[in-house]
Amino acid sequence: AQTVTQSQPEMSVQEAETVTLSCTYDTSESDYYLFWYKQPPSRQMILVIRQEAYKQQNATENRFSVNFQKAAKSFSLKISDSQLGDAAMYFCAYRTFFISNFGNEKLTFGTGTRLTIIP
Amino acid sequence: ETGVTQTPRHLVMGMTNKKSLKCEQHLGHNAMYWYKQSAKKPLELMFVYSLEERVENNSVPSRFSPECPNSSHLFLHLHTLQPEDSALYLCASSQDDSGATEAFFGQGTRLTVV
Repeated sequence: AQTVTQSQPEMSVQEAETVTLSCTYDTSESDYYLFWYKQPPSRQMILVIRQEAYKQQNATENRFSVNFQKAAKSFSLKISDSQLGDAAMYFCAYRTFFISNFGNEKLTFGTGTRLTIIP
Repeated sequence: ETGVTQTPRHLVMGMTNKKSLKCEQHLGHNAMYWYKQSAKKPLELMFVYSLEERVENNSVPSRFSPECPNSSHLFLHLHTLQPEDSALYLCASSQDDSGATEAFFGQGTRLTVV
């Protein structure tokens, strides 16, 4: 079974600065997907960024980028130029690649990191 | 707006009550999910429905009873709950024909059992 670990329950960063949220995972699979979801106070889970394990290039989405280290099973999220609207819970998630039966399409989540932005 | 709507947003119920949570998606997805989110714990997958049929039940107590009458609606019927069932219940949906499909989540129902 896959596991996802987020070792930082809380993080804070000054507005306009850069912050990195860490995530490690454990799997025996070679192909999979990794995601970062953001959960603001509105409680909706919003997809921030996605990484395919078979791609060596790190995914980037505007101010959000990841550092994907497949051998180390590490998937950190970097937020540049932090904004007040970035304050939220951030969840790292894992999804298996192969759909042998439909039940494999579920996500495995970490416990989350609460990010606070200091004005 | 993610296209997944959950009602009610908040629910307080006694241990002897019977209530239902509703989830609706208009994304044309074929799969829907119920998750439980408790403080300081990973999101727990409860149920998975594909094309209106339950394909997974992660050892959830029988006091939680899901129902998927069509591909757009998902219910979670609650009865004789315990205080430890208090949590945020999230509904999600996704496509079923790709290994790269993201799950879209609703805003959740904050359930308090008293």
